[in-house]
Amino acid sequence: EDKVVQSPLSLVVHEGDTVTLNCSYEVTNFRSLLWYKQEKKAPTFLFMLTSSGIEKKSGRLSSILDKKELSSILNITATQTGDSAIYLCAVVDSGYALNFGKGTSLLVTP
Amino acid sequence: NAGVTQTPKFQVLKTGQSMTLQCAQDMNHEYMSWYRQDPGMGLRLIHYSVGAGITDQGEVPNGYNVSRSTTEDFPLRLLSAAPSQTSVYFCASSYRGTHEQYFGPGTRLTVT
Repeated sequence: EDKVVQSPLSLVVHEGDTVTLNCSYEVTNFRSLLWYKQEKKAPTFLFMLTSSGIEKKSGRLSSILDKKELSSILNITATQTGDSAIYLCAVVDSGYALNFGKGTSLLVTP
Repeated sequence: NAGVTQTPKFQVLKTGQSMTLQCAQDMNHEYMSWYRQDPGMGLRLIHYSVGAGITDQGEVPNGYNVSRSTTEDFPLRLLSAAPSQTSVYFCASSYRGTHEQYFGPGTRLTVT
């Protein structure tokens, strides 16, 4: 079974909307959860959440970790067309290996 | 700093051919890894290394070999290419002690 499940798989919104992307996980020894943004090429790092850092914010993006519910959300407010991308969630449960979800494809239309 | 670099950017192979995908980083990162990304599958870990001389298998290692003779380089070898290995391959690296990995630009491989 998948260790990391993201929802929705795809989303289309209008510029200015607020979106919430979800990530749930099931791992034995949770160490951290990371969000990446992937445009045409390599994933680029957005946030890392751990037991000691469950909320992060950068500009219009923010993310919260819910350790009780084994999940995380990524919020994007006042979306822009430049936010169109695949958003990847990954969980580290042992060592350094990232266990990725399948991603959420976000399209922001003008 | 160039960060993580990968060569080639694109490659077409015939079934049965072998080749090496190159990955290098200039950040003195101890941890390096290889992922493949297929449509609808997300990124899956192939092999990883926690330092020079140490490698281990990830989720999908079959058909691939790696070695880590230096801190900077982590090549991925396809021994006998198969159409199922058609994918985009990403190399990533990080400092030991952090999980934030930096990704290279990727290699798009097609096996016919």
